[in-house]
Amino acid sequence: RKEVEQDPGPFNVPEGATVAFNCTYSNSASQSFFWYRQDCRKEPKLLMSVYSSGNEDGRFTAQLNRASQYISLLIRDSKLSDSATYLCVVNARGGTYKYIFGTGTRLKVLA
Amino acid sequence: GAVVSQHPSRVICKSGTSVKIECRSLDFQATTMFWYRQFPKQSLMLMATSNEGSKATYEQGVEKDKFLINHASLTLSTLTVTSAHPEDSSFYICSARWDRGEGTQYFGPGTRLLVL
Repeated sequence: RKEVEQDPGPFNVPEGATVAFNCTYSNSASQSFFWYRQDCRKEPKLLMSVYSSGNEDGRFTAQLNRASQYISLLIRDSKLSDSATYLCVVNARGGTYKYIFGTGTRLKVLA
Repeated sequence: GAVVSQHPSRVICKSGTSVKIECRSLDFQATTMFWYRQFPKQSLMLMATSNEGSKATYEQGVEKDKFLINHASLTLSTLTVTSAHPEDSSFYICSARWDRGEGTQYFGPGTRLLVL
């Protein structure tokens, strides 16, 4: 089983739609969680951290369920510019606090 | 946010040559730097973690004699791909963090390596 699993998609949605991505992680000792966005042939950029109480940043809402070991990202009112790959990232403890990346979920917002 | 640069942005080389990639943190001191590799349509895979002034820690399956990492200062880490072969062609991305704990990692723009 992969340490961080995501549905690779692609998710094709019309502009203005609401779309949700889920991610599951296997290491129950994981402490911090992030969503990154990666555009084609570019480096990942931090979208938002994910907190236990859930957090929102404009049209983006992230949730963490520690009991079920999953993280979600909700995008409301999708824009064409939201088209990208969304990477779920778990910061694993165990000495080096290294990031473990999911394979990413591709989103394409259609006009 | 913090800025991390990489040089070169892309490189094409012949099989058997060595290629050096630089990663610099421009506006903060990076205690820890990470090197990742990403093949097409795959996720980022961590290759190694380097802390300034100490030897890099390599992930399982990554040959330390092939991928030489030097983190000689708090703002510079280098990755040298020795005797590169076509299967080493990939997108190499570094990231930097100011601490050794749970601080956010900031990514460089990546280096696209093509080995002919």
